[in-house]
Amino acid sequence: QLQLQESGPGLVKPSETLSLTCTVSGGSIPSSVYYWGWVRQSPGKGLEWIGTIHYSGSSHYNPSLKSRVTISVDTSKNQFSLKLSSVTAADTAVYYCARQVRRYFQHWGQGTLVTVSS
Amino acid sequence: QSVLTQPPSVSAAPGQKVTISCSGSSSNIGGNYVSWYQQLPGTAPTLVISENTKRPSGIPDRFSGSKSGTSATLGITGLQTGDEADYYCGTWDSSLSAWVFGGGTKLTVL
Repeated sequence: QLQLQESGPGLVKPSETLSLTCTVSGGSIPSSVYYWGWVRQSPGKGLEWIGTIHYSGSSHYNPSLKSRVTISVDTSKNQFSLKLSSVTAADTAVYYCARQVRRYFQHWGQGTLVTVSS
Repeated sequence: QSVLTQPPSVSAAPGQKVTISCSGSSSNIGGNYVSWYQQLPGTAPTLVISENTKRPSGIPDRFSGSKSGTSATLGITGLQTGDEADYYCGTWDSSLSAWVFGGGTKLTVL
């Protein structure tokens, strides 16, 4: 069965770059049907879409974060990654990776908490 | 403030029915499919309704979705204590060119 697992540092210093990787098992990233996305949830808050990528490399980002976000895909490792630059305390959140069908988020990873603090 | 508006909380007794509303505009709900996500305490969201009305495999038929104009509704019948969770609606916003979610609704089964 499909599993998505986020990994990366749990603590990032202000002004530095947050880097996370999502490893996909039980399914293959190279598929015309699926897209691969990142969503975050600040403590006690709701869900915020960060961005989405297709295995072809086509990507789309939340306009409010676009200047700081890069999402990439590595089909050889069946992974996709998130980089968020110039982080502040406001970027402290649980970060989820997810498999998307065009019209919805079909399957989610368990999430990883990233804290921005010096 | 979220683009999609949901009530912060709803409650009902076990066995009863509850509905959760999600209000938007012509650029999001009015022109795109709505999906609903259940987030049990301390866990990741899971999809319970896709494309306005469809239930994914494994989701009981106690869960239903509907859409009319610029609003969508999630219905849950035969409430169980295990249904206590936060529920989020989500859709694409064509004006913002972004996926948007409601602020979430906390369901309490009394």
